[in-house]
Amino acid sequence: ETGVTQSPTHLIKTRGQQVTLRCSSQSGHNTVSWYQQALGQGPQFIFQYYREEENGRGNFPPRFSGLQFPNYSSELNVNALELDDSALYLCASSLPQGQGTYGYTFGSGTRLTVV
Amino acid sequence: DQQVKQNSPSLSVQEGRISILNCDYTNSMFDYFLWYKKYPAEGPTFLISISSIKDKNEDGRFTVFLNKSAKHLSLHIVPSQPGDSAVYFCAASHFGNEKLTFGTGTRLTIIP
Repeated sequence: ETGVTQSPTHLIKTRGQQVTLRCSSQSGHNTVSWYQQALGQGPQFIFQYYREEENGRGNFPPRFSGLQFPNYSSELNVNALELDDSALYLCASSLPQGQGTYGYTFGSGTRLTVV
Repeated sequence: DQQVKQNSPSLSVQEGRISILNCDYTNSMFDYFLWYKKYPAEGPTFLISISSIKDKNEDGRFTVFLNKSAKHLSLHIVPSQPGDSAVYFCAASHFGNEKLTFGTGTRLTIIP
């Protein structure tokens, strides 16, 4: 059983640029969530995808967008990068609530630095 | 608005003793609580959870206690081992909403 894989592991971007982060779900998981963890903080919910549709969104602006593909892999896109977007971005896959043990399997994250 | 709070940023405990990590929440809608453990350069790993219909859940060395009236939960680790040194996050959700709300974490250091 494979876990959650995220790429790249580290990334440096310039303010104003766009970035795409990628995530491969754990086998059998059809729900993907993205979280942003700033330094010294807990992970903050960005959004979740289920069956290729957004299924809940946190308090993040529209320049944060995502996609889920038929194989349940996912992308997080961030446009017009700001310095405050520097953070660890975590992808988590899960079964929908009520379909098994509730709890995410997290990837190791992508460390994004905006300069 | 910090709905889940972990007021102790760090905790040091002697190996073999009990580690107690605390978490408070403010949102009465939360009905499911989880603890995650995080090592550097890794993602959080699920440790143990508890539903609001229970007040205690055990899994080996780990026990989570929930006090709904106080909106407080705690994680007990007995006995503490050096491999337990990590950052521990408390998280909460309510059924029907897939979002997890995390605390800021407590860094636990087990002293050999």
